[in-house]
Amino acid sequence: NAGVTQTPKFQVLKTGQSMTLQCAQDMNHNSMYWYRQDPGMGLRLIYYSASEGTTDKGEVPNGYNVSRLNKREFSLRLESAAPSQTSVYFCASSLQGREQPQHFGDGTRLSIL
Amino acid sequence: LAKTTQPISMDSYEGQEVNITCSHNNIATNDYITWYQQFPSQGPRFIIQGYKTKVTNEVASLFIPADRKSSTLSLPRVSLSDTAVYYCLVASTDSWGKLQFGAGTQVVVTP
Repeated sequence: NAGVTQTPKFQVLKTGQSMTLQCAQDMNHNSMYWYRQDPGMGLRLIYYSASEGTTDKGEVPNGYNVSRLNKREFSLRLESAAPSQTSVYFCASSLQGREQPQHFGDGTRLSIL
Repeated sequence: LAKTTQPISMDSYEGQEVNITCSHNNIATNDYITWYQQFPSQGPRFIIQGYKTKVTNEVASLFIPADRKSSTLSLPRVSLSDTAVYYCLVASTDSWGKLQFGAGTQVVVTP
């Protein structure tokens, strides 16, 4: 099925470990986003990419880095995981630049011990 | 960035119409209103988007009064599968990269 694919679906890390969350979309969308969702707080934007080759910080970028590898793929990296980064991470995409996300992946559930 | 306020939860029976109102008193001229639906263990799903008056698609209707300080998502004849969290989002091309979802409205549909 067409859409946004995230890998892995679940992951447990120890404090200080690093990890890259992968995201790919096959809808030829220009813009991609990374959000985190914590209980009672809705979704908060970490980073976004308006188009291939560009990335910008969102509301909560500290502790994360991103790479827009090509038009399809947008990865999120935790260089040194901390317990505060335990969350559900969602990748999303939209066709045009500068518009609300239209498609979301099913999330990566990340626990940091 | 316009702040939004929604009810925390709403209950309904199958076959009824559900109306969720979102307040956004500080909406800017360029802002659009977007609604999403989220099921447990899934990512949000785009439902509908509008700027003014009324927008309708195969899933829902969105009513926006002239002053645009609120909007109402209408789900006709809900079924059990409509049980989900619904988010209202207000943003424009000026603030698109800083979209922040609120806590949403938990809608529970019972037989």
